[in-house]
Amino acid sequence: GESVGLHLPTLSVQEGDNSIINCAYSNSASDYFIWYKQESGKGPQFIIDIRSNMDKRQGQRVTVLLNKTVKHLSLQIAATQPGDSAVYFCAENIFEAAGNKLTFGGGTRVLVKP
Amino acid sequence: DAGVIQSPRHEVTEMGQEVTLRCKPISGHDYLFWYRQTMMRGLELLIYFNNNVPIDDSGMPEDRFSAKMPNASFSTLKIQPSEPRDSAVYFCASSFSGGNTEAFFGQGTRLTVV
Repeated sequence: GESVGLHLPTLSVQEGDNSIINCAYSNSASDYFIWYKQESGKGPQFIIDIRSNMDKRQGQRVTVLLNKTVKHLSLQIAATQPGDSAVYFCAENIFEAAGNKLTFGGGTRVLVKP
Repeated sequence: DAGVIQSPRHEVTEMGQEVTLRCKPISGHDYLFWYRQTMMRGLELLIYFNNNVPIDDSGMPEDRFSAKMPNASFSTLKIQPSEPRDSAVYFCASSFSGGNTEAFFGQGTRLTVV
Protein backbone atom coordinates (compact mmCIF):
# COMPACT_ATOMS: atom_id res chain seq x y z
CA GLY A 1 0.00 0.00 0.00
CA GLU A 2 1.41 3.33 -0.99
CA SER A 3 0.18 6.86 -0.84
CA VAL A 4 -0.76 7.23 -4.44
CA GLY A 5 0.95 10.42 -5.57
CA LEU A 6 -1.96 12.63 -4.69
CA HIS A 7 -2.21 16.16 -6.02
CA LEU A 8 -1.84 17.54 -2.55
CA PRO A 9 -0.95 20.87 -1.00
CA THR A 10 2.73 20.68 -0.20
CA LEU A 11 4.58 22.21 2.70
CA SER A 12 8.34 22.52 2.26
CA VAL A 13 10.18 22.92 5.53
CA GLN A 14 13.81 23.35 6.40
CA GLU A 15 15.12 20.68 8.75
CA GLY A 16 14.98 21.98 12.28
CA ASP A 17 12.18 24.46 11.64
CA ASN A 18 8.65 24.06 12.96
CA SER A 19 5.84 22.86 10.67
CA ILE A 20 2.19 23.78 10.84
CA ILE A 21 -0.36 21.75 8.93
CA ASN A 22 -3.95 22.94 8.76
CA CYS A 23 -7.22 21.13 8.27
CA ALA A 24 -10.82 22.28 7.99
CA TYR A 25 -13.46 19.80 9.00
CA SER A 26 -17.02 19.71 7.87
CA ASN A 27 -19.32 18.51 10.58
CA SER A 28 -20.01 20.50 13.72
CA ALA A 29 -21.20 17.26 15.35
CA SER A 30 -17.75 15.68 15.08
CA ASP A 31 -16.54 14.78 18.54
CA TYR A 32 -13.11 13.28 18.07
CA PHE A 33 -10.23 14.15 15.75
CA ILE A 34 -7.08 12.34 14.77
CA TRP A 35 -3.95 13.24 12.84
CA TYR A 36 -2.39 10.49 10.74
CA LYS A 37 0.94 10.28 8.93
CA GLN A 38 1.31 8.23 5.77
CA GLU A 39 4.73 7.29 4.46
CA SER A 40 5.33 5.79 1.06
CA GLY A 41 4.42 2.12 1.00
CA LYS A 42 2.51 2.17 4.25
CA GLY A 43 -0.96 2.70 5.60
CA PRO A 44 -1.77 5.80 7.64
CA GLN A 45 -0.29 5.77 11.13
CA PHE A 46 -1.67 7.49 14.21
CA ILE A 47 0.16 10.58 15.44
CA ILE A 48 -2.08 12.29 17.95
CA ASP A 49 -5.76 12.75 18.75
CA ILE A 50 -7.97 15.30 20.46
CA ARG A 51 -11.51 15.23 21.74
CA SER A 52 -14.01 17.99 21.13
CA ASN A 53 -14.00 19.07 24.78
CA MET A 54 -10.36 20.13 24.43
CA ASP A 55 -8.69 22.87 22.40
CA LYS A 56 -5.07 21.76 22.67
CA ARG A 57 -3.16 18.57 23.17
CA GLN A 58 0.58 17.96 23.16
CA GLY A 59 2.61 14.91 22.36
CA GLN A 60 6.25 14.31 21.68
CA ARG A 61 7.26 17.10 19.26
CA VAL A 62 3.66 17.43 18.09
CA THR A 63 0.80 19.66 19.19
CA VAL A 64 -2.77 19.61 17.93
CA LEU A 65 -5.00 22.67 18.19
CA LEU A 66 -8.76 22.55 17.77
CA ASN A 67 -10.93 25.56 17.04
CA LYS A 68 -14.54 24.41 17.04
CA THR A 69 -15.87 27.88 16.30
CA VAL A 70 -14.41 27.86 12.81
CA LYS A 71 -14.12 24.06 12.52
CA HIS A 72 -10.38 24.14 12.15
CA LEU A 73 -7.68 21.75 13.26
CA SER A 74 -3.92 22.19 13.09
CA LEU A 75 -0.89 20.01 13.68
CA GLN A 76 2.35 21.59 14.76
CA ILE A 77 5.58 19.62 14.46
CA ALA A 78 8.52 21.02 16.39
CA ALA A 79 12.07 20.79 15.03
CA THR A 80 11.04 19.01 11.85
CA GLN A 81 13.27 16.09 10.88
CA PRO A 82 13.82 14.28 7.57
CA GLY A 83 11.78 11.37 8.91
CA ASP A 84 8.79 13.69 9.14
CA SER A 85 8.54 13.82 5.35
CA ALA A 86 5.19 12.20 4.59
CA VAL A 87 1.56 12.93 3.81
CA TYR A 88 -0.49 14.08 6.79
CA PHE A 89 -4.23 13.60 7.12
CA CYS A 90 -6.72 14.85 9.62
CA ALA A 91 -9.67 12.61 10.39
CA GLU A 92 -12.93 13.37 12.14
CA ASN A 93 -15.19 11.01 13.97
CA ILE A 94 -18.89 11.59 13.53
CA PHE A 95 -21.26 9.87 15.90
CA GLU A 96 -24.15 8.32 14.01
CA ALA A 97 -27.18 6.69 15.55
CA ALA A 98 -25.78 3.23 14.98
CA GLY A 99 -22.06 3.82 15.20
CA ASN A 100 -18.99 6.02 14.84
CA LYS A 101 -17.91 7.07 11.35
CA LEU A 102 -14.29 8.07 10.73
CA THR A 103 -13.72 10.23 7.64
CA PHE A 104 -10.56 11.85 6.29
CA GLY A 105 -9.56 15.20 4.90
CA GLY A 106 -7.59 15.64 1.68
CA GLY A 107 -4.09 15.53 3.15
CA THR A 108 -0.96 17.70 3.06
CA ARG A 109 2.43 16.58 1.82
CA VAL A 110 5.36 17.68 3.98
CA LEU A 111 8.82 17.77 2.41
CA VAL A 112 11.75 18.34 4.75
CA LYS A 113 14.79 19.93 3.16
CA PRO A 114 18.17 19.06 4.69
CA ASP B 1 -0.59 -8.49 17.83
CA ALA B 2 0.58 -8.33 14.23
CA GLY B 3 -1.70 -5.41 13.46
CA VAL B 4 -4.30 -5.25 10.72
CA ILE B 5 -3.43 -7.74 8.00
CA GLN B 6 -4.55 -7.28 4.42
CA SER B 7 -4.12 -9.60 1.47
CA PRO B 8 -3.05 -9.57 -1.21
CA ARG B 9 -0.62 -6.63 -1.14
CA HIS B 10 -0.87 -6.24 -4.89
CA GLU B 11 -3.51 -7.44 -7.31
CA VAL B 12 -3.54 -7.08 -11.07
CA THR B 13 -6.66 -8.26 -12.84
CA GLU B 14 -8.41 -7.87 -16.13
CA MET B 15 -11.52 -5.80 -16.56
CA GLY B 16 -14.63 -7.84 -15.89
CA GLN B 17 -13.00 -10.20 -13.44
CA GLU B 18 -14.07 -10.60 -9.84
CA VAL B 19 -11.68 -9.28 -7.21
CA THR B 20 -11.73 -10.15 -3.52
CA LEU B 21 -9.71 -8.20 -0.97
CA ARG B 22 -9.24 -9.61 2.50
CA CYS B 23 -8.72 -8.12 5.93
CA LYS B 24 -7.96 -9.47 9.37
CA PRO B 25 -8.55 -6.81 12.03
CA ILE B 26 -6.72 -6.53 15.31
CA SER B 27 -8.07 -9.03 17.82
CA GLY B 28 -10.60 -7.45 20.17
CA HIS B 29 -11.44 -4.52 17.92
CA ASP B 30 -15.14 -4.09 17.30
CA TYR B 31 -15.03 -1.60 14.41
CA LEU B 32 -13.77 -2.34 10.92
CA PHE B 33 -13.48 0.23 8.13
CA TRP B 34 -12.79 -0.14 4.40
CA TYR B 35 -11.25 2.84 2.60
CA ARG B 36 -10.19 3.51 -0.97
CA GLN B 37 -7.33 5.86 -1.78
CA THR B 38 -7.05 7.47 -5.21
CA MET B 39 -5.31 10.45 -6.69
CA MET B 40 -8.56 12.22 -7.38
CA ARG B 41 -10.52 11.56 -4.20
CA GLY B 42 -7.97 10.90 -1.49
CA LEU B 43 -9.06 8.54 1.30
CA GLU B 44 -12.72 7.67 0.92
CA LEU B 45 -14.66 5.67 3.47
CA LEU B 46 -16.49 2.90 1.64
CA ILE B 47 -18.18 1.01 4.47
CA TYR B 48 -17.77 0.29 8.14
CA PHE B 49 -18.87 -2.48 10.47
CA ASN B 50 -19.57 -2.55 14.19
CA ASN B 51 -19.56 -5.97 15.81
CA ASN B 52 -19.61 -7.59 12.36
CA VAL B 53 -22.73 -5.67 11.30
CA PRO B 54 -22.52 -3.20 8.39
CA ILE B 55 -23.46 0.21 9.75
CA ASP B 56 -22.94 2.66 6.91
CA ASP B 57 -22.28 1.63 3.32
CA SER B 58 -23.13 5.00 1.79
CA GLY B 59 -19.57 5.30 0.48
CA MET B 60 -19.74 2.15 -1.62
CA PRO B 61 -19.56 3.51 -5.16
CA GLU B 62 -22.03 1.17 -6.82
CA ASP B 63 -23.58 -2.27 -6.73
CA ARG B 64 -20.46 -3.85 -8.13
CA PHE B 65 -18.92 -3.39 -4.69
CA SER B 66 -19.91 -5.54 -1.73
CA ALA B 67 -18.40 -6.18 1.69
CA LYS B 68 -18.95 -8.85 4.27
CA MET B 69 -17.78 -9.59 7.77
CA PRO B 70 -18.72 -13.17 8.60
CA ASN B 71 -16.93 -13.09 11.94
CA ALA B 72 -14.93 -10.78 14.18
CA SER B 73 -11.60 -11.76 12.63
CA PHE B 74 -12.27 -11.53 8.91
CA SER B 75 -13.76 -9.21 6.33
CA THR B 76 -13.83 -9.14 2.54
CA LEU B 77 -14.38 -6.43 -0.04
CA LYS B 78 -15.49 -7.78 -3.39
CA ILE B 79 -15.69 -6.06 -6.75
CA GLN B 80 -17.63 -7.85 -9.45
CA PRO B 81 -17.17 -7.08 -12.27
CA SER B 82 -14.04 -4.97 -11.90
CA GLU B 83 -13.38 -1.91 -14.07
CA PRO B 84 -10.19 0.10 -14.75
CA ARG B 85 -11.56 3.01 -12.69
CA ASP B 86 -11.54 0.74 -9.64
CA SER B 87 -7.74 0.86 -9.68
CA ALA B 88 -6.68 2.27 -6.32
CA VAL B 89 -5.16 1.34 -2.99
CA TYR B 90 -7.71 -0.21 -0.66
CA PHE B 91 -7.15 0.03 3.08
CA CYS B 92 -8.75 -1.79 5.92
CA ALA B 93 -8.65 -0.34 9.44
CA SER B 94 -9.93 -1.46 12.81
CA SER B 95 -10.56 0.21 16.14
CA PHE B 96 -11.97 -0.47 19.56
CA SER B 97 -15.20 1.34 20.39
CA GLY B 98 -15.08 3.49 17.27
CA GLY B 99 -15.11 7.10 18.23
CA ASN B 100 -13.12 6.80 21.42
CA THR B 101 -9.86 5.48 20.04
CA GLU B 102 -7.80 5.70 16.91
CA ALA B 103 -8.19 3.33 13.98
CA PHE B 104 -5.21 1.17 13.02
CA PHE B 105 -4.57 0.64 9.34
CA GLY B 106 -3.29 -2.27 7.35
CA GLN B 107 -0.65 -1.93 4.65
CA GLY B 108 -3.28 -1.78 1.95
CA THR B 109 -3.93 -3.65 -1.28
CA ARG B 110 -2.88 -1.97 -4.50
CA LEU B 111 -5.42 -2.98 -7.13
CA THR B 112 -4.76 -2.50 -10.81
CA VAL B 113 -7.51 -3.34 -13.29
CA VAL B 114 -6.32 -3.48 -16.89
